[in-house]
Amino acid sequence: SQTIHQWPATLVQPVGSPLSLECTVEGTSNPNLYWYRQAAGRGLQLLFYSVGIGQISSEVPQNLSASRPQDRQFILSSKKLLLSDSGFYLCAWSRQGQPQHFGDGTRLSIL
Amino acid sequence: DQQVKQNSPSLSVQEGRISILNCDYTNSMFDYFLWYKKYPAEGPTFLISISSIKDKNEDGRFTVFLNKSAKHLSLHIVPSQPGDSAVYFCAASGGLKTSYDKVIFGPGTSLSVIP
Repeated sequence: SQTIHQWPATLVQPVGSPLSLECTVEGTSNPNLYWYRQAAGRGLQLLFYSVGIGQISSEVPQNLSASRPQDRQFILSSKKLLLSDSGFYLCAWSRQGQPQHFGDGTRLSIL
Repeated sequence: DQQVKQNSPSLSVQEGRISILNCDYTNSMFDYFLWYKKYPAEGPTFLISISSIKDKNEDGRFTVFLNKSAKHLSLHIVPSQPGDSAVYFCAASGGLKTSYDKVIFGPGTSLSVIP
């Protein structure tokens, strides 16, 4: 069966520090991969999606970037975090036409 | 501009009664609709879906109804149980027409089932 791993579960970072969140999927190949953010009291906002290695599409202009160095690995990064980057970050995977399956998320707090 | 709307931020229901969560969408190109359930500090879990060729889909206690002319869908939970207390996200996509699953999520409705 397929599983998705996301880490760390929680992270507290100072403003201006770098960020790297990692997501890996097991049990499938060539999945579509997604990064979402859920701000407090808000819905899920799609940040990035990828349909293959090295293929990244950004949905909203922001302080973050994403990379897919391997088929089942998706990384969310920032060179300098802003206070507004605080939130709950979720990674997801899917097959075309199938529901997305989410990881347990990373709670990011910026101080 | 919100393409998927859930106008009720919260809903309280007595255990054993029916919970009805509503969702409206604006984009007529959407052809695939999903409901996700989310507990605090966890990722959303897929609950049930419906394609635009149907108007109803049922899975155990959960039924989703789709009214395409009104661009409205609803999730019915019968009977409601305390374990159903969670945030429910409505989502929509043009899944059958696109090469990737760009899913638009609503803001969520927090359901509390009171024992």
